[in-house]
Amino acid sequence: EAQVTQNPRYLITVTGKKLTVTCSQNMNHEYMSWYRQDPGLGLRQIYYSMNVEVTDKGDVPEGYKVSRKEKRNFPLILESPSPNQTSLYFCASSFRDEQFFGPGTRLTVL
Amino acid sequence: AQSVTQPDIHITVSEGASLELRCNYSYGATPYLFWYVQSPGQGLQLLLKYFSGDTLVQGIKGFEAEFKRSQSSFNLRKPSVHWSDAAEYFCAVGVSNDYKLSFGAGTTVTVRA
Repeated sequence: EAQVTQNPRYLITVTGKKLTVTCSQNMNHEYMSWYRQDPGLGLRQIYYSMNVEVTDKGDVPEGYKVSRKEKRNFPLILESPSPNQTSLYFCASSFRDEQFFGPGTRLTVL
Repeated sequence: AQSVTQPDIHITVSEGASLELRCNYSYGATPYLFWYVQSPGQGLQLLLKYFSGDTLVQGIKGFEAEFKRSQSSFNLRKPSVHWSDAAEYFCAVGVSNDYKLSFGAGTTVTVRA
């Protein structure tokens, strides 16, 4: 089944403790991206990747890092999480201008 | 930069009644347009999309949307809502070969019996 998977689905952590949210797709898509969803703001793009080893900032990249060492994986890294990064995070991969979203990761930073 | 406005934050509709959700976009060229639905606790599901051609687009779950270039709008409609349509709906705009989507703030739909 074609899909985008994210892990973990739920995470509660404390300020400053590094964490990684994984994202994997099995559709051989070149383009992948990360979004965060906040009430009243919709989804905003954090980072995107056009292909392996090619990444770039989206609209709200501060406090986040990404890497794209393999085509299928696009992890989101929070080196020092802060409470304002409490949010719902979505990974997406794209084919011909249509994006396929993962199930989301709800992150709470205390 | 493109932007998307969903003027209605929350809409309440009776089961069986019609539904229309508004979406206005701002962009110089013809954008790609999408409607996504997010049920409580779920991810995003694509309802329909418009790339080109017929301006009336049919989607899943009985939804349709009409692209009106003169009004920069892409409103979503459903003739008769079901209780399962209670969800949050997002309009999104993309540009060819850019891949990035700009989302509206979302409209929450409540369905009353």
